[in-house]
Amino acid sequence: AQSVTQLGSHVSVSEGALVLLRCNYSSSVPPYLFWYVQYPNQGLQLLLKYTSAATLVKGINGFEAEFKKSETSFHLTKPSAHMSDAAEYFCAVSDGSNDYKLSFGAGTTVTVRA
Amino acid sequence: DTGVSQDPRHKITKRGQNVTFRCDPISEHNRLYWYRQTLGQGPEFLTYFQNEAQLEKSRLLSDRFSAERPKGSFSTLEIQRTEQGDSAMYLCASSPSSLTEAFFGQGTRLTVV
Repeated sequence: AQSVTQLGSHVSVSEGALVLLRCNYSSSVPPYLFWYVQYPNQGLQLLLKYTSAATLVKGINGFEAEFKKSETSFHLTKPSAHMSDAAEYFCAVSDGSNDYKLSFGAGTTVTVRA
Repeated sequence: DTGVSQDPRHKITKRGQNVTFRCDPISEHNRLYWYRQTLGQGPEFLTYFQNEAQLEKSRLLSDRFSAERPKGSFSTLEIQRTEQGDSAMYLCASSPSSLTEAFFGQGTRLTVV
């Protein structure tokens, strides 16, 4: 079974500061890892995914994440926060089998201070 | 292509009533997933279809829940005898078999009063 743990349910950053969201996973097989963003009362939008290719993955809106097998981590970063980054972020894992169903973390809410 | 569409966006119902939600996946996506998201939590997997076949159901899906995907196109999720604990956002997602990620709809928010 796969699972993810997101460290920190709330993160507050200043506009222009580094955004760092932490995600650790547990998987018995090589995982596929994802970061999704959710704006209020909206569905989930894929930011980026890791599927066993390059360990540093670049996504949309300036976000990137690095897969570290030794640390079982897949942390999300953005060098400079923008007001529009205020949202909830979910890390998710699938086992890469035929179904690709996702196991999500509890989410991290990001607020951006002007 | 307008993405995954869910209807209704919001539903308020009295406890004990039945409700049905609809999901229209992206055209030609043969995989369709239902997830449930309660306040302050990440989405939880409910069930999954490959074309019209329902291949897996989570233990979260009690006997009061039933999902269908006739003809492998749209899907419906029905909840019978709703309970207050059913209040949540119900998310639908679809993907083609050749891709790993799923594309999510905007969800149906259910409130049971």
